[in-house]
Amino acid sequence: EAQVTQNPRYLITVTGKKLTVTCSQNMNHEYMSWYRQDPGLGLRQIYYSMNVEVTDKGDVPEGYKVSRKEKRNFPLILESPSPNQTSLYFCASSFRGRGVLYFGPGTRLTVT
Amino acid sequence: AQSVSQHNHHVILSEAASLELGCNYSYGGTVNLFWYVQYPGQHLQLLLKYFSGDPLVKGIKGFEAEFIKSKFSFNLRKPSVQWSDTAEYFCAVISGNTPLVFGKGTRLSVIA
Repeated sequence: EAQVTQNPRYLITVTGKKLTVTCSQNMNHEYMSWYRQDPGLGLRQIYYSMNVEVTDKGDVPEGYKVSRKEKRNFPLILESPSPNQTSLYFCASSFRGRGVLYFGPGTRLTVT
Repeated sequence: AQSVSQHNHHVILSEAASLELGCNYSYGGTVNLFWYVQYPGQHLQLLLKYFSGDPLVKGIKGFEAEFIKSKFSFNLRKPSVQWSDTAEYFCAVISGNTPLVFGKGTRLSVIA
């Protein structure tokens, strides 16, 4: 089944404790992206990747890191999480960034 | 920079009422247009898309959207909403070489 998976689905952590949210897709998509969703602000893009080893900042990259060492994986790293990063995070992928975007199930992160 | 405007933040309708959600974008060149839907507690999924051809696009669950190039618009419509249409709706645009840009979303509440 074609899908985008994210782990963990729920995470509660404390300020400053490094964490990684994994994202994996099995559709051989070149393009992958991370978004955060906050009430009243819609979806905001954090980082995106057009292909392996190619990443670019989105609208709200501060406090986040990404890497794209393999085509299927695009982990999101929070080196020192802060409470303002409490949010719902979605990973997504598409064929060359031009077509339909397929979303993962979301990761609800709470930073205390 | 490319932008997408969804003018209605929250729409409340009774069952069987007609729906029209506005979407306007700012880019003047060739565009690919999308509507995504997010049901409560779920991830975003594609409702319909326009790449080229007939500007009236039909999607799933009785939704349709019309691309009006002269108005830079891609409004979503449904003649008769159901309670199960309660969700958040996002318009999105791809243009040129820029990644997909989302509007801030419109929350639809359908009441019995």
